[in-house]
Amino acid sequence: DIQMTQSPSSLSAYVGDRVTITCRASQSITSYLNWYQQKPGKAPKLLIYAASSLQSGVPSRFSGSGSGTDFTLTISSLQPEDFATYYCQQSYSSPFIFGPGTKVNIK
Amino acid sequence: EVQLLESGGGLVQPGGSLRLSCAASGFTFSSHAMSWVRQAPGKGLEWVSGISGSGGSTLYADSEKGRCTISRDNSKNTLYLQINSLRAEDTAVYFCAKLTFVSVVPSSFDDWGQGTPVTVSS
Repeated sequence: DIQMTQSPSSLSAYVGDRVTITCRASQSITSYLNWYQQKPGKAPKLLIYAASSLQSGVPSRFSGSGSGTDFTLTISSLQPEDFATYYCQQSYSSPFIFGPGTKVNIK
Repeated sequence: EVQLLESGGGLVQPGGSLRLSCAASGFTFSSHAMSWVRQAPGKGLEWVSGISGSGGSTLYADSEKGRCTISRDNSKNTLYLQINSLRAEDTAVYFCAKLTFVSVVPSSFDDWGQGTPVTVSS
């Protein structure tokens, strides 16, 4: 199975900060990497698919990059509504493992 | 507007069985693969199972093979998950998700329901 890791596991940031979250796969998944945002008590929401494609309706301050085994999610200017947990997920092969998550807290 | 409404969760004793349902609307159901994802209390997301748009291809997480059966009724726009031999570790919120393509691989999970809670306890 392909294993997914994320770093950091949590971070604290100010509104307006640039935030970067890293995701690493245990083997190449080409560009089949997705990012989700989840707020407490809510369902996850797709932000980025295929490593760098912005899902419809998602603000342009979110961006994704990477290929192979190393990927990043960047929030260019953190907004109050962005405080949440972010998960990466590989869709290259079954089982479709999610990363352990990165919790973004208010500083 | 895509809507996914899960039901069937609840309190069940260890060793029992449960059938979860997900009623879909707002899109052509048979044109999209579907999946179940669960989240234990305070934990991360765990993919459970996926099924192609026709229902002809199914995939399972290693931990669920033999205990879970995913199925769909395209005439009713409904997805199902049958879970047998339930154990405490199955306690979680179970989400259904609509996938991008008719095949499970290499879809992203575009839309999610609000989840149905399952508690396994005596």
